Amino acid sequence: AQSVTQPDIHITVSEGASLELRCNYSYGATPYLFWYVQSPGQGLQLLLKYFSGDTLVQGIKGFEAEFKRSQSSFNLRKPSVHWSDAAEYFCAVGAYNNDMRFGAGTRLTVKP
Amino acid sequence: EPEVTQTPSHQVTQMGQEVILRCVPISNHLYFYWYRQILGQKVEFLVSFYNNEISEKSEIFDDQFSVERPDGSNFTLKIRSTKLEDSAMYFCASRTAGTTQYFGPGTRLLVL
Repeated sequence: AQSVTQPDIHITVSEGASLELRCNYSYGATPYLFWYVQSPGQGLQLLLKYFSGDTLVQGIKGFEAEFKRSQSSFNLRKPSVHWSDAAEYFCAVGAYNNDMRFGAGTRLTVKP
Repeated sequence: EPEVTQTPSHQVTQMGQEVILRCVPISNHLYFYWYRQILGQKVEFLVSFYNNEISEKSEIFDDQFSVERPDGSNFTLKIRSTKLEDSAMYFCASRTAGTTQYFGPGTRLLVL
């Protein structure tokens, strides 16, 4: 069964600093991988997704993620964090014709 | 851009009461999902639905839960006799034959 691990429950970065949120997955076949962002009390917004092809995917709001099959990872990055990026970030894994499994989430705090 | 919509946005109910959460998936989507997120926790899969029947369900989705597509546009989640621990945000999602699921804004359910 597929599963997702986000090792960092909470991360604090200074505004303007770079960010990397970790995600490791377990899945028997080629996974489809997603990153979602959730602001407090809000729904889930898709940041980016990986299905196949180029392992470095670009998303909205300046985010990118890199799929590394050898490490079973799909880490999310942003070169310069803005205060408005403070939110909860969820990594998810899915497969064709299948439901999705979400990680526990990483809460991002941005210091001024 | 088409969106998944959910009503109500908030619902408060008494323990033991029945609640029906409503979702209107994107019109040409064929696969439908319900997820749950207890406050401060990760998003959990409840059930998937395709071709007028449940495709898969999690251990959370017990006999107290049911889903229905009563007409061509709505997709509902019913909780027959709510418990305190059913308090959560409930997300509906839909997709086409591709794997990107589009999430609704959620219904926040509070059971007193």
